[in-house]
Amino acid sequence: EAEVAQSPRYKITEKSQAVAFWCDPISGHATLYWYRQILGQGPELLVQFQDESVVDDSQLPKDRFSAERLKGVDSTLKIQPAELGDSAMYLCASSSRGGRTSSYNEQFFGPGTRLTVL
Amino acid sequence: DAKTTQPTSMDCAEGRAANLPCNHSTISGNEYVYWYRQIHSQGPQYIIHGLKNNETNEMASLIITEDRKSSTLILPHATLRDTAVYYCIVRVPYNFNKFYFGSGTKLNVKP
Repeated sequence: EAEVAQSPRYKITEKSQAVAFWCDPISGHATLYWYRQILGQGPELLVQFQDESVVDDSQLPKDRFSAERLKGVDSTLKIQPAELGDSAMYLCASSSRGGRTSSYNEQFFGPGTRLTVL
Repeated sequence: DAKTTQPTSMDCAEGRAANLPCNHSTISGNEYVYWYRQIHSQGPQYIIHGLKNNETNEMASLIITEDRKSSTLILPHATLRDTAVYYCIVRVPYNFNKFYFGSGTKLNVKP
């Protein structure tokens, strides 16, 4: 069964350092999402791509976070510089091109990257 | 955007039905209700979704009230492996399939 791949699974860094997370969505999925999940809370959408274009990055702290999906396939989320409050699980999800009115558009999630900032 | 309200936690005996409620009183007519669950340290997993009618699949049943302001996820025979956080989500179809997760319900299935 096809899965969303993420790496690394765990990352420990010191504050002010740069970190990067990688996501490979399910083949053929046009939509890719990055979520941040703080311990004890539900996932919060950071950025959403449709193919290579960003369609929503309203919750992305753009002073330190950046995301790209250059060829419309895999994606990288970067934090520079990392802060203590960035410690969280970073989840990637993908879905097929269901369009705006699709009745069924399941998001498939990867295992996540757990970031600890010291 | 419609928000959801769920109890923080629930207990269920193994082998019994688990009924997880969700309130979504501001839901609009074209917004779908989705349920996902997240087992500790894993990514969320899709369970079921619906618009107006009750739905059933191999994992669970979804009961949506006639006014669509609330719904209940039913796990007919809970097992220890069903212990997880369950999220009720309202999907906005005109907003690129955006999901808004709340804090979910922690279901504890006990032997």
